[in-house]
Amino acid sequence: GNSVTQMEGPVTLSEEAFLTINCTYTATGYPSLFWYVQYPGEGLQLLLKATKADDKGSNKGFEATYRKETTSFHLEKGSVQVSDSAVYFCALFNNDYKLSFGAGTTVTVRA
Amino acid sequence: EAQVTQNPRYLITVTGKKLTVTCSQNMNHEYMSWYRQDPGLGLRQIYYSMNVEVTDKGDVPEGYKVSRKEKRNFPLILESPSPNQTSLYFCASSMAGGIYNEQFFGPGTRLTVL
Repeated sequence: GNSVTQMEGPVTLSEEAFLTINCTYTATGYPSLFWYVQYPGEGLQLLLKATKADDKGSNKGFEATYRKETTSFHLEKGSVQVSDSAVYFCALFNNDYKLSFGAGTTVTVRA
Repeated sequence: EAQVTQNPRYLITVTGKKLTVTCSQNMNHEYMSWYRQDPGLGLRQIYYSMNVEVTDKGDVPEGYKVSRKEKRNFPLILESPSPNQTSLYFCASSMAGGIYNEQFFGPGTRLTVL
């Protein structure tokens, strides 16, 4: 079956620090990969996506590259802000039409 | 405004008392889905629907039912709730094909079963 493993949190950073959240997956075939973000008290919203190998998704200064050889989709941001404090979820969508999520990583950015 | 709405947002109930959580979307999406979010487990898919009258089990369907009689609505039914169904529930929708498309999430329903 499909599964997503992402690095455990919580992660606490200072403003302007570099952020990396690791995500690896197990799946058959060629899944699409996503990062969703959940701000306090809200539902999830799409941050970025990649639908095939070597694609790079990017949005709001965040980036992630679909690496099929290492089955990874690590999220990175070069300079975080307090407003980036949230829970980040890596997710996989496969041809079985099921969306699988990682456990989520809580990120807190301090001023 | 394009959105997914859920009701109620908060619910406290007792074991065995049937309840329904409603979900509605105004984007004419074919695909709809229910998830539960639990600490340390992320989101797990309960049921999904590819279109009207087409539903299928996700990873944790036990104890839940769904129906899709209209395109816009996808209610989640708990016939006999138990305390292990205490969780935060999210409904989501996307265009047909789902695999390439962004899921739009509702604001969540926090359910407590005593």
